[in-house]
This record gives sequence, structure tokens and C-alpha cells, in this order.
Amino acid sequence: SQQGEEDPQALSIQEGENATMNCSYKTSINNLQWYRQNSGRGLVHLILIRSNEREKHSGRLRVTLDTSKKSSSLLITASRAADTASYFCATDYNQGGKLIFGQGTELSVKP
Amino acid sequence: DGGITQSPKYLFRKEGQNVTLSCEQNLNHDAMYWYRQDPGQGLRLIYYSQIVNDFQKGDIAEGYSVSREKKESFPLTVTSAQKNPTAFYLCASSHGPSGYTFGSGTRLTVV
Repeated sequence: SQQGEEDPQALSIQEGENATMNCSYKTSINNLQWYRQNSGRGLVHLILIRSNEREKHSGRLRVTLDTSKKSSSLLITASRAADTASYFCATDYNQGGKLIFGQGTELSVKP
Repeated sequence: DGGITQSPKYLFRKEGQNVTLSCEQNLNHDAMYWYRQDPGQGLRLIYYSQIVNDFQKGDIAEGYSVSREKKESFPLTVTSAQKNPTAFYLCASSHGPSGYTFGSGTRLTVV
């Protein structure tokens, strides 16, 4: 299976702390994307990083990509209770636009 | 506003019944996808379509069927051959190698 692995599976932090989630994948990719899912809802696209990029920022989000280690991390700085959600990485292996999703990290931010 | 609409939000199926989940988008996206999500797990690809009148099987296509007669619509039928259909079904669309836009999902339960 090409499915990526995410860790941790669950993460609980206090408001104001930073949250880091990691994603590993198996073969060469075109790009890697991060999504957020609130309970019982659809996924929302957060950020896309291409295989020739190493770091990307969007607001309080910072994504890094290390293609030599086949891994990526998502950092959420100064977390808020509203950041509580599941976060998924998804990899584009250049197979006609299909994305392969990881198992997700469940983030809980306590006020 | 452009978006992707899934209906119904909740669906109950009796044993041996076929049911059809609707997915409509007005984003003018070429590609559309169906994913299945089981509790606490990631998304698994059922079917995808890159253009009208064409679609391909994903990783778990058995027991499902789709059609793509119009660019805007990509309905999914869960047939009686799908032995464990209870799950959360997510439809998505995309344009080129960019992020997906997801619908809000349909929760299917077998009664």
C-alpha cells in the first residue's frame, strides 16, 4: 500500500502551545497536502507543498518537506481551542490526480 | 457561491437494497472522487473520474458503481454486493494538481 503514516495518532495540548504532526510516505511524490476535518464534516484543504519545496507558511501553519527522508511535518503555532480537529496528510504520486490519505492525527486543544 | 453538495446527509439502507448517494459541484472542476471513511480511520478511494463519461476504480471499488454523464455530477451507488456499507462517504473535486474541495459527506447506515 502507498498509504502514508502519520504520528502521533492523537495529540492533546493546551491553548497557546504549538502542535506538530508528522507524515511519512513511501515513494516519490509530486506534492503533499494537508487537510483538516472537524468531527462529522468534510475535509478542508489547508496547504500544498510541492516536491521541490522545503518549507511553506500559511498564517499560523508551517509545513516542511524532506524528500530524502520521505517525510513532512505540519506545525500549528499558538494553538486555539478552535484548532481541535483531525488533520490528514495526502500524497499525490502522479497517478492521475489521485490523492492517498494517511490515517490522520486527532488534535485536541484544551482552553 | 461555488461548492460541492452531497445529499442526503444521512441515509439508511436495508439489507439487500441498492442506494445512490448524490454529489454535485458547480466549480467547473474536471475531476471528481469518492472516498469512504470508517471510524477513526483515513480515507480510502472508491472511484474517481477525470473527465465526463470516464471513470476508474480506486482501491475499494467492489460493491460500488458510479456514472459521470455530466461534468457537474458524480453519483455513487452502493449495491447489495457491498457487505459492509456502513461508513461516512465523502465526495471531492479538483482542477489540475491542486487541492481537493470536499463535500460535507453522507453517513450511510445499514438497518
